[in-house]
Amino acid sequence: DTAVSQTPKYLVTQMGNDKSIKCEQNLGHDTMYWYKQDSKKFLKIMFSYNNKELIINETVPNRFSPKSPDKAHLNLHINSLELGDSAVYFCASSPGGDTQYFGPGTRLTVL
Amino acid sequence: LAKTTQPISMDSYEGQEVNITCSHNNIATNDYITWYQQFPSQGPRFIIQGYKTKVTNEVASLFIPADRKSSTLSLPRVSLSDTAVYYCLVGEPTWSSASKIIFGSGTRLSIRP
Repeated sequence: DTAVSQTPKYLVTQMGNDKSIKCEQNLGHDTMYWYKQDSKKFLKIMFSYNNKELIINETVPNRFSPKSPDKAHLNLHINSLELGDSAVYFCASSPGGDTQYFGPGTRLTVL
Repeated sequence: LAKTTQPISMDSYEGQEVNITCSHNNIATNDYITWYQQFPSQGPRFIIQGYKTKVTNEVASLFIPADRKSSTLSLPRVSLSDTAVYYCLVGEPTWSSASKIIFGSGTRLSIRP
């Protein structure tokens, strides 16, 4: 009965590949997010998604695209992976935008 | 966008009260102050949120002075399990403004026996 879950927990892949990370929340929240935490532990928001409206952090490359099949899911698809994409990616959800509930994270390693 | 400044690290001992202060000099009228805790290899976990004066829950207290240019997270009687990174965030409680919220480097709290 995990509130926010992500799969996979670890993802190792080669440069140039396309991969997806899945996120599901069972909290009934309207808003979901994706964050990237780099090796220096800085957490940067990538996307905010609410009722089919998407707000993108302008620093995020267009190789990254969120896909939401329904309100409980927000998957992250990454095209043409690069070495610099290696990081831990966190999904989060919130009922209104202030308090956020984070998933356990997905550690992505690009070789 | 209100930037926050926190100490990089703090050390304390089990059973002590720990106070972590965050500066946010250019906080806006609609901004709330939120604190998160992050353990290694886990996502951040919400601790407490406030707008002004004092907020208390089962985990911590949050003290906010009248000018709201700083806030202090107070952890009573810490234990070894409180060793974590603590982030102070300032922002509006709307989903669209969440895209502007930035997690700083946080405060790495180490608790010793």
